[in-house]
Amino acid sequence: AQSVTQPDIHITVSEGASLELRCNYSYGATPYLFWYVQSPGQGLQLLLKYFSGDTLVQGIKGFEAEFKRSQSSFNLRKPSVHWSDAAEYFCALLGVGGGADGLTFGKGTHLIIQP
Amino acid sequence: EADIYQTPRYLVIGTGKKITLECSQTMGHDKMYWYQQDPGMELHLIHYSYGVNSTEKGDLSSESTVSRIRTEHFPLTLESARPSHTSQYLCASSPRLGGAGNTIYFGEGSWLTVV
Repeated sequence: AQSVTQPDIHITVSEGASLELRCNYSYGATPYLFWYVQSPGQGLQLLLKYFSGDTLVQGIKGFEAEFKRSQSSFNLRKPSVHWSDAAEYFCALLGVGGGADGLTFGKGTHLIIQP
Repeated sequence: EADIYQTPRYLVIGTGKKITLECSQTMGHDKMYWYQQDPGMELHLIHYSYGVNSTEKGDLSSESTVSRIRTEHFPLTLESARPSHTSQYLCASSPRLGGAGNTIYFGEGSWLTVV
């Protein structure tokens, strides 16, 4: 069975500081991986995705993520956060055969930005 | 980004009422999904569809039902709402199976409160 783990439930970062959100996955083959962001009361917005090829992927809003097969990880990074980045961040995996062909989500990481 | 619309965005109804959450997408996507998300929790797939006249149950058991009579429309119905149905319901779609077509785009969500 496939699974996604986001070890950090909450992360607090000062505005302007760098950010890394962790995501680990379990899947028997190369997965499709995604990061979504959810602002309060809103749906999910796709930040970036990894299907194959270059393991460092660039997304919207200055985010990037690196796929590391050896560590089964897909961590999200941003060099300098803005107050508007405060939100819930979800890592997700799309695999074949598991999750009824839908995405398997992590539990999410709540990002708090300190002034 | 896909254009995917959900109505109503917010709904408060009494126990025993029948409700339908509407979801429409204008991209001609084949696959559509419904996810349920309790506040502060991860998303769980409750229904999905491969195309017209196709409906499947997802990972999380749900008392709701769905239909797919038109490609662009994937409504979710609760015949008799209960307080345990209080949640956010997120509709999503993806253009096609395989490769980059597996990107799943989400609507803004429908917040349902049953009193």
